[in-house]
Amino acid sequence: EIVMTQSPATLSVSPGERATLSCRASQSVSSNLAWYQQKPGQAPRLLIYGASTRATGIPARFTGSGSGTEFTLTISSLQSEDFAVYYCQQYNNWPRTFGQGTKVEVK
Amino acid sequence: EVQLVESGGGLVQSGESLRLSCAASGFTISSNDMSWVRQAPGKGLEWVSTISGSGGRTFYADSVKGRFTVSRDNSKNTLYLQMNSLRVEDTAVYYCAKDVDSWTGCNDYWGQGTLVTVSS
Repeated sequence: EIVMTQSPATLSVSPGERATLSCRASQSVSSNLAWYQQKPGQAPRLLIYGASTRATGIPARFTGSGSGTEFTLTISSLQSEDFAVYYCQQYNNWPRTFGQGTKVEVK
Repeated sequence: EVQLVESGGGLVQSGESLRLSCAASGFTISSNDMSWVRQAPGKGLEWVSTISGSGGRTFYADSVKGRFTVSRDNSKNTLYLQMNSLRVEDTAVYYCAKDVDSWTGCNDYWGQGTLVTVSS
């Protein structure tokens, strides 16, 4: 099973600042990596797939990068609605696996 | 508009069974890979199972293999998850989700989730 490790666990950022979230895979997942956003009481929302392709309707301030084992999600200028938990997921191998999440909170 | 609506969750005792349903609209489930993902209270996301659109191949997490069965009724455009021999650790919100496509195993549409609570 591929283990996905996200860092940091919690990121404190002020509105308007940049946020950089990291995700590391225990072995290569090529570009088969997705990022989700989840707010309390809501289902996850797909942000990025294929490591860098924004899903439909996702604002351009969300950027995904990386391949192999190292991935990054960058939020260029945090808006109030961006404070949430973010998960990465690999779908290169079965079983599909998620990272443990990074909580982006208001500084 | 794509919609997924789960039902069937509830409180059961350890060892009992439950069947979850996920009614889809706005697309045809038989043409899409469909998945179940769960989230224990206060915890992260865990992939549970996937059924392929073509051929109906099924895939399971080791934690549920042999106990859970994913299936679909194409005439009702509904996805199911039959859960047997439930354990306390199966307590979670269960989401059904549509895969982006057959080559992209992540999920672009999600239901609102249904809570399964297993007591000892």
